[in-house]
Amino acid sequence: SQQGEEDPQALSIQEGENATMNCSYKTSINNLQWYRQNSGRGLVHLILIRSNEREKHSGRLRVTLDTSKKSSSLLITASRAADTASYFCATADAGGTSYGKLTFGQGTILTVHP
Amino acid sequence: ETGVTQSPTHLIKTRGQQVTLRCSSQSGHNTVSWYQQALGQGPQFIFQYYREEENGRGNFPPRFSGLQFPNYSSELNVNALELDDSALYLCASSLGGWSPLHFGNGTRLTVT
Repeated sequence: SQQGEEDPQALSIQEGENATMNCSYKTSINNLQWYRQNSGRGLVHLILIRSNEREKHSGRLRVTLDTSKKSSSLLITASRAADTASYFCATADAGGTSYGKLTFGQGTILTVHP
Repeated sequence: ETGVTQSPTHLIKTRGQQVTLRCSSQSGHNTVSWYQQALGQGPQFIFQYYREEENGRGNFPPRFSGLQFPNYSSELNVNALELDDSALYLCASSLGGWSPLHFGNGTRLTVT
């Protein structure tokens, strides 16, 4: 079963604009991760934020986490056509011992027009 | 370093048949997880192997089984294939703990 929902389901922007994707989840988590997937290929890890962190940056990526609202957002600044992909949030349950067990959302399809 | 490789890339099987999918972990990674991704959906956790033992399983029936070998490579076996088993099957390896998952490009299975 899916952990939660991602919003929007699809996002279309122009190169240079910022893209914001939101993720909601249902259970207590140890951490939340964002992954990117290009057209049916494997997923690529982007960033991990722990439950005791509120914000994290990596290059053009900024992730926030609000555990009281059980939500996270991913901001991609100054987007490029190469950022076109599906983006997934994934949660690791608090107290889990299967460290490879992540619960993924349904993803946001981002299209960046040149 | 060599990434995660999966074989075959595509496979077509008939309902009721059995299938074996293979995965070679990234060098140095001792943990392997398998995921099923239906079209338009996020991946769903099938199970995880650590040091050749299954140590976590998602909501999948027993006809989904796996193996991990001493070199940390892994197999996913699915018996009595059903039409709903058609999906992209993804293997991911990691260093263990909460380290990020490194995914292969998947095996696209079509059941007719």
